[in-house]
Amino acid sequence: DQQVKQNSPSLSVQEGRISILNCDYTNSMFDYFLWYKKYPAEGPTFLISISSIKDKNEDGRFTVFLNKSAKHLSLHIVPSQPGDSAVYFCAATRSISNFGNEKLTFGTGTRLTIIP
Amino acid sequence: EPEVTQTPSHQVTQMGQEVILRCVPISNHLYFYWYRQILGQKVEFLVSFYNNEISEKSEIFDDQFSVERPDGSNFTLKIRSTKLEDSAMYFCASRTGVGYEKLFFGSGTQLSVL
Repeated sequence: DQQVKQNSPSLSVQEGRISILNCDYTNSMFDYFLWYKKYPAEGPTFLISISSIKDKNEDGRFTVFLNKSAKHLSLHIVPSQPGDSAVYFCAATRSISNFGNEKLTFGTGTRLTIIP
Repeated sequence: EPEVTQTPSHQVTQMGQEVILRCVPISNHLYFYWYRQILGQKVEFLVSFYNNEISEKSEIFDDQFSVERPDGSNFTLKIRSTKLEDSAMYFCASRTGVGYEKLFFGSGTQLSVL
């Protein structure tokens, strides 16, 4: 039961170029989406989020786009830097529970490698 | 910056043995979680804990699993009789209760069941 899917297990991008990481979801109850970044031997750290009332959220070099009709979101990193090399997880939940304790449902992750 | 602390970082155990994974959440946080990641797979929710009781648990969290917050600072996950398939990285997480971007994860305990 993969409600959140990241179909690309890995991605390599040249430094300075744009990295685009994709995520699809199947559960129409999800309306709040997050991206987490994970370095080896560390826990996931929050990167950026988006509510379903928006289609875009930007934070510095990171932008998340949401296409509700396609149940698809993407994370854009521009320009990509060597320190961005990590595993990126897409996660989803229901915002109605944002002040409660609704669990996050994670994708399988995409390993991003930035080539200097 | 405050952080969630997990110990040990690695735990090796024999099948059938009990293990306790320990976590110290951030001090003013109210919601606590355990997640796990089997190698190469997604991060999976195990259990959430609030106000000294389990709020929600997944189907993975069967009778062999239990959680406890014994002293107001530690948050533990116990597996009573480990199985080979319990081998995974276990992450503790906590948050204040205001928004998911405030969910902080520990660096994990790698559990290997032999």
